[in-house]
Amino acid sequence: RKEVEQDPGPFNVPEGATVAFNCTYSNSASQSFFWYRQDCRKEPKLLMSVYSSGNEDGRFTAQLNRASQYISLLIRDSKLSDSATYLCVVSAFGDYKLSFGAGTTVTVRA
Amino acid sequence: DAGVIQSPRHEVTEMGQEVTLRCKPISGHNSLFWYRQTMMRGLELLIYFNNNVPIDDSGMPEDRFSAKMPNASFSTLKIQPSEPRDSAVYFCASSFSRRAFFGQGTRLTVV
Repeated sequence: RKEVEQDPGPFNVPEGATVAFNCTYSNSASQSFFWYRQDCRKEPKLLMSVYSSGNEDGRFTAQLNRASQYISLLIRDSKLSDSATYLCVVSAFGDYKLSFGAGTTVTVRA
Repeated sequence: DAGVIQSPRHEVTEMGQEVTLRCKPISGHNSLFWYRQTMMRGLELLIYFNNNVPIDDSGMPEDRFSAKMPNASFSTLKIQPSEPRDSAVYFCASSFSRRAFFGQGTRLTVV
């Protein structure tokens, strides 16, 4: 079983729509969680950290469900510029290793 | 800060040649990672260092791959000899408190 698994998508949504997707992780000792964004032929960039109580950053909301071992990302009022691959990242307590999911592709259409 | 700096940005080499990829991490970051990305396999962790010490190199595919971090501001990933299946984008990332920042990558093509 992979350490981090994501639905590859693609999620094709119209501008203004809400889109949400999950990421599951296998290591119950996982402690730190992040969402990264990667544009085509570019490097991954940190989008946001994911905190236990859930957190928002503008139109983006991240949630953590420790019991079911998944994190989620919700994008409200989608913009064309939100089209990208979203990578889920997990790190275990006491471990510097960052485990990346394969990514979820989101395409926002006009 | 200029961010993580990788060189070269692009490298085309012939099979059997030695390839050296270079990385300058963000000053003050204590962890450094080398990743490889392909369409088929996604982003794979090759090796990572903490305070210049290699912690986990289990992702290094073969003995042809080696990585060093002689000091806090420089790391290399070497492939010798290179093979066509090594063609990929190689990313270096540095992190502090597990927040990783990536370089722009080196696009390696082995012909």
